[in-house]
Amino acid sequence: GQQLNQSPQSMFIQEGEDVSMNCTSSSIFNTWLWYKQDPGEGPVLLIALYKAGELTSNGRLTAQFGITRKDSFLNISASIPSDVGIYFCAGQLNAGRRALTFGSGTRLQVQP
Amino acid sequence: GAGVSQSPRYKVAKRGQDVALRCDPISGHVSLFWYQQALGQGPEFLTYFQNEAQLDKSGLPSDRFFAERPEGSVSTLKIQRTQQEDSAVYLCASSFQVATNEKLFFGSGTQLSVL
Repeated sequence: GQQLNQSPQSMFIQEGEDVSMNCTSSSIFNTWLWYKQDPGEGPVLLIALYKAGELTSNGRLTAQFGITRKDSFLNISASIPSDVGIYFCAGQLNAGRRALTFGSGTRLQVQP
Repeated sequence: GAGVSQSPRYKVAKRGQDVALRCDPISGHVSLFWYQQALGQGPEFLTYFQNEAQLDKSGLPSDRFFAERPEGSVSTLKIQRTQQEDSAVYLCASSFQVATNEKLFFGSGTQLSVL
């Protein structure tokens, strides 16, 4: 079963607003990843984090790897309509295991 | 195209039927993964191949699920005697190398509905 708790489950915001979502776990993860999934498509990688405390940006997206290695957050600034989709956090438990554990997703809707 | 290709796009099966789902990874990609995504949930890991070797099948939910990649490129996920709880989107992903931080490229999935 899922080991990552992702929140919020859904968000409905106005265009131009900032968005924040996060993931927590009872387990320590080696790597944190954030993906976006559009309807009918597979997930697409947005940001990858490899070190505790790491803060990484990709355009309007910013993500951080929590210092305890048990959490991560994703911020989207100045949202636009094409940000609509489902955002998933994913973690890798250790370097020896390639499998990713995914959160249950945050569904984002943006009102133009 | 240059992406991960999965077929069929949709599959409807009667309970008890066997199904086979195909994945064509990006050419030259060494690593290949299968994930199962239930409605409203995140993907869950099923199995992992490095070339033709199945290195991790810990996520396969039962012995009805079987995956192969005989020549290290195309992979097939087979589900025998399908049950309603098998209804989900089955995603395939590949990456070029075996490094743990190697970027995964996902296909669009096969949506399986078991009636």
